[in-house]
Amino acid sequence: SQQGEEDPQALSIQEGENATMNCSYKTSINNLQWYRQNSGRGLVHLILIRSNEREKHSGRLRVTLDTSKKSSSLLITASRAADTASYFCATVREYGNKLVFGAGTILRVKS
Amino acid sequence: DTGVSQDPRHKITKRGQNVTFRCDPISEHNRLYWYRQTLGQGPEFLTYFQNEAQLEKSRLLSDRFSAERPKGSFSTLEIQRTEQGDSAMYLCASSHGFDRGYEQYFGPGTRLTVT
Repeated sequence: SQQGEEDPQALSIQEGENATMNCSYKTSINNLQWYRQNSGRGLVHLILIRSNEREKHSGRLRVTLDTSKKSSSLLITASRAADTASYFCATVREYGNKLVFGAGTILRVKS
Repeated sequence: DTGVSQDPRHKITKRGQNVTFRCDPISEHNRLYWYRQTLGQGPEFLTYFQNEAQLEKSRLLSDRFSAERPKGSFSTLEIQRTEQGDSAMYLCASSHGFDRGYEQYFGPGTRLTVT
């Protein structure tokens, strides 16, 4: 069973716009990770944020984590057509080792 | 620098046949994971190894499934007496370190189709 839920399920934006995806989860976590998946490249790790962190940046990516609300968001700024993919959040529980994925958000960036 | 590799990339088999998949992790990674992904869903955990020890198995891993990592390097996942419900993408991942705070690197997956 999957712990997280991403919102929205699908998102379509114009190139250059920002994209925001949200993730909610159910249990205490050690860390939360975001992954991208497209048909050509498989699952690619984007960013990891630990439970004691609130915000993290990597290039055009900004991730926030609110452990009191058990939620996270991924912001992609100045989107490009190449950002078109499915985005998954995945959590590692406080005393666990495996990744527990949500169902993902399908992002389409139109050029 | 090579990433995680999986072989074969695609497998078509008839119901009732056995299949075996191989995963070669990133060489310095001591943790290896297997996940299964069906269309429109995120990956679901199957099992994981730390070195050669299989430390956790999901309830998804029925008696027909077995995984090994004999020398702490590559791993195999075998499915016996395949069923149509086994059709999915089987993903392998590896990570560095002895705690849970490391990202996992995924291979390209093996797509299994059971006819």
